[in-house]
Formats: sequence, C-alpha cells, structure tokens
Amino acid sequence: EDKVVQSPLSLVVHEGDTVTLNCSYEVTNFRSLLWYKQEKKAPTFLFMLTSSGIEKKSGRLSSILDKKELSSILNITATQTGDSAIYLCAVFLTDSWGKLQFGAGTQVVVTP
Amino acid sequence: SQTIHQWPATLVQPVGSPLSLECTVEGTSNPNLYWYRQAAGRGLQLLFYSVGIGQISSEVPQNLSASRPQDRQFILSSKKLLLSDSGFYLCAWSVQSGPDQPQHFGDGTRLSIL
Repeated sequence: EDKVVQSPLSLVVHEGDTVTLNCSYEVTNFRSLLWYKQEKKAPTFLFMLTSSGIEKKSGRLSSILDKKELSSILNITATQTGDSAIYLCAVFLTDSWGKLQFGAGTQVVVTP
Repeated sequence: SQTIHQWPATLVQPVGSPLSLECTVEGTSNPNLYWYRQAAGRGLQLLFYSVGIGQISSEVPQNLSASRPQDRQFILSSKKLLLSDSGFYLCAWSVQSGPDQPQHFGDGTRLSIL
C-alpha cells in the first residue's frame, strides 16, 4: 500500500527560528514529490521535486529530495508569523493521469 | 492567468438533504479536475477525478457523486447526506499536457451536517 508520512505532526516555534519538516514515502515507482502550504483554505503549491539532491528554493523556504532515503525535507529559515500553516507533502503515483497521495500534514505555529 | 472558484464557502445541511457543490476553472482549457475531502487534522483524500466532459472516475465508494457537464465545471452531489459526509471539500485542477503537473486548489467548502 502506498504511504506518505509526515513528521512532526505539529510544532510551535518562535519568530526567527528555523524549521525542518520531514516527509517519507513508500510508493511503487516513485515519480515526484510536492510540497503545499495550507493556511485557512486552499493549499498553495510550493515545490515539486523529481531529482535527488537538487535543492529547490523560494525565499526563506527550501526543499530537497533524497531518493535513497525515500524522503524529503522542507526548511523554513527566519520564520515569521505568516509561515503559520499546515504543510502538506504529496507524491505522484504510477497512474498516468496524475493521482497524488497526500500525507497528513505538519501544523506549524510561529509565535511572535 | 488561471483561477479556480468554489462555492459556497460554508454550508450547513440536515441529514438526508441533497447536496450540490460547484467548482469552475477559468483561464485554461481541458483541465484535469479533482474533488478532495479533508477531515480535521488529516491529509487530503481524493474522491473523484475527471479528464474530460462526462468522464468521471471514483476513488472511494461513498454517498457522493460527481459530474462534469462543461469543460471547466465540476459538480459534487449527493441525493441524501449522511453525518459522515461532514468535512472540508476541495476542488483542484491541473493541466493535462505532460506528466506530473501540480494541482491547484480552490478555497474549499466547509460542510457541516446536522
């Protein structure tokens, strides 16, 4: 059975801290992994990772895939209260039409 | 640019009543369309997807159905709601061309069944 597991489930940090979120997967024929940020409503797309070891970066957020370890991390540096959200990891499965298997998410709370 | 609209934003319905949630996409043609449900504190569960008008695939057996009457319109329905249908429903779209296109989500409908 395909699985995507995120850790931790939740964490609270102070503004300015660095946060590292983990996503591990067990899927048949891995293709790519995506990260989304969900505040109150719509998840918004952050990154898609296909190749191992190549970091993707957007401002204070960065992510990298390790296919050997079947995992990915999402880093947020110099956190701000606006980074408070649920961060979702998802993996494309083998079907060609683009089915995503989502993890349960990590709830991040950044306190002032 | 592409946009996705979902309505209503919130809905409170009695058990046994019908349901119709609507989703439309603008700025793109022939998108893949998806309906997800998100339980509190949980990830997203795919309910239905569609690759074209009238083409619907169901991922899990349930009390709900979906239809795609137009290219950029996706509707989630039920004839008789159950308490277990409560949740946060999200519509999403992706382009069809090329493999592994990211999905983009609407703002969702929070459905409460009384």
